[in-house]
Amino acid sequence: GAGVSQSPSNKVTEKGKDVELRCDPISGHTALYWYRQSLGQGLEFLIYFQGNSAPDKSGLPSDRFSAERTGGSVSTLTIQRTQQEDSAVYLCASSARQGKAEKLFFGSGTQLSVL
Amino acid sequence: SQQGEEDPQALSIQEGENATMNCSYKTSINNLQWYRQNSGRGLVHLILIRSNEREKHSGRLRVTLDTSKKSSSLLITASRAADTASYFCATSSGGSNYKLTFGKGTLLTVNP
Repeated sequence: GAGVSQSPSNKVTEKGKDVELRCDPISGHTALYWYRQSLGQGLEFLIYFQGNSAPDKSGLPSDRFSAERTGGSVSTLTIQRTQQEDSAVYLCASSARQGKAEKLFFGSGTQLSVL
Repeated sequence: SQQGEEDPQALSIQEGENATMNCSYKTSINNLQWYRQNSGRGLVHLILIRSNEREKHSGRLRVTLDTSKKSSSLLITASRAADTASYFCATSSGGSNYKLTFGKGTLLTVNP
C-alpha cells in the first residue's frame, strides 16, 4: 500500500504482559515518528528515527518503553510489563523531509487496552 | 509539554457556515501546521505555514499566522458534514526542527 501501515489495529492485553506494535512507513521516507494519544488528548511525542542517526528517545515515558527501526524501514515499539496507564492509541508517522517536521503521514494507529 | 492550545475545544455549526478555530503557542516557531483527525485514529496533514508567512490558502481552507501574538487561525469556508473531525495545530520550534508538538485539538461538528 501507499500509506503508513500499523499493526495490530487493536490490542487487548493483561497488566504485566509485554506488547509489540509494528509500523511500516511509506517507502523511501527516512523519518519515522511514534506518538501516543490518550483519550481526548493531543499527541504526545515518544521517539524519532532519522536514517542511520541515533534516535531521539526523549519522549519515552519510562524504561519499559523501547523502539527499534530495522534496515531504515519497519519500526517496532515494545512496551514491557504493561500498566493500565499505557492504554492509548499509538500512532506512527513518516516523512520524506530530513531533519524537518513537515507534512507527516500518519498510520491509523494501534488502540492498546491494558486490562 | 504542550506548545499549541486550540480554541474552542468544541464547535458545532450548520452545513454551509464557516468554521474558525484558533491556536496559540508559547515559544518561537519554525512553522505551524494543521492536521485533521477522523474517528480518533490517523491524522491527515492539511496545511503548513512558515514563520515568515502571514496567510495561506488551500481550497476551502485559510490559515493565518500572527507571530507577534503567537497565534494562528484555521478557517474552513462553506463547511460540509464531511468536515466533521478533530483539528489539531502542531508546531516545530528551536533546535528540534524535526519534532512536532501538538495541541489538544478542536472537535468540529458540522450538522447537515
